[in-house]
Amino acid sequence: ETGVTQTPRHLVMGMTNKKSLKCEQHLGHNAMYWYKQSAKKPLELMFVYSLEERVENNSVPSRFSPECPNSSHLFLHLHTLQPEDSALYLCASSQGQGEGETQYFGPGTRLLVL
Amino acid sequence: GENVEQHPSTLSVQEGDSAVIKCTYSDSASNYFPWYKQELGKGPQLIIDIRSNVGEKKDQRIAVTLNKTAKHFSLHITETQPEDSAVYFCAASKAGFQKLVFGTGTRLLVSP
Repeated sequence: ETGVTQTPRHLVMGMTNKKSLKCEQHLGHNAMYWYKQSAKKPLELMFVYSLEERVENNSVPSRFSPECPNSSHLFLHLHTLQPEDSALYLCASSQGQGEGETQYFGPGTRLLVL
Repeated sequence: GENVEQHPSTLSVQEGDSAVIKCTYSDSASNYFPWYKQELGKGPQLIIDIRSNVGEKKDQRIAVTLNKTAKHFSLHITETQPEDSAVYFCAASKAGFQKLVFGTGTRLLVSP
């Protein structure tokens, strides 16, 4: 185990639903990340939070809304998603945002949008 | 922005053989290059990394080489074992900010 947990592990939702993904890190890290992993595409960075402040929003559609209430928890709120949003959503954390900081990944949430 | 290309997309070897995965990057300002291994049902896990002031780094059966002039770096796995079977990702980032740009991954299959 990497010390980063994600729930749920699997999620099926309709395009009109609202759901949330949860990530928790037990490593005492200060930075947390959301990535999207689609088949045959590179991991795509979505959001970065450092000390609970969003420092990166990588041109992500507004139907994805992140929330970081404290340095240990990160949420991704989903609403009115499209089928092309089906993917594995990975959360990661690192000690800081400095050069060469190792990112530790959770197991991911497999999302299917119908 | 940075672009990372990774080859091959799939690699099949016999147990005991060596495996080599290659990546190229476009931004000469990149100076941190980690490699991740992703097993089925799990998130990527760091296996080795290298910084631009080093040309080669080794950790038991795994080694990474970096050629900054040519802007490419490679992962070498010797004496492969079936448990090495996984998807391997390379990545690159610039100094001062940990924004990793990933390659598309290599699926390695080690047959007994």
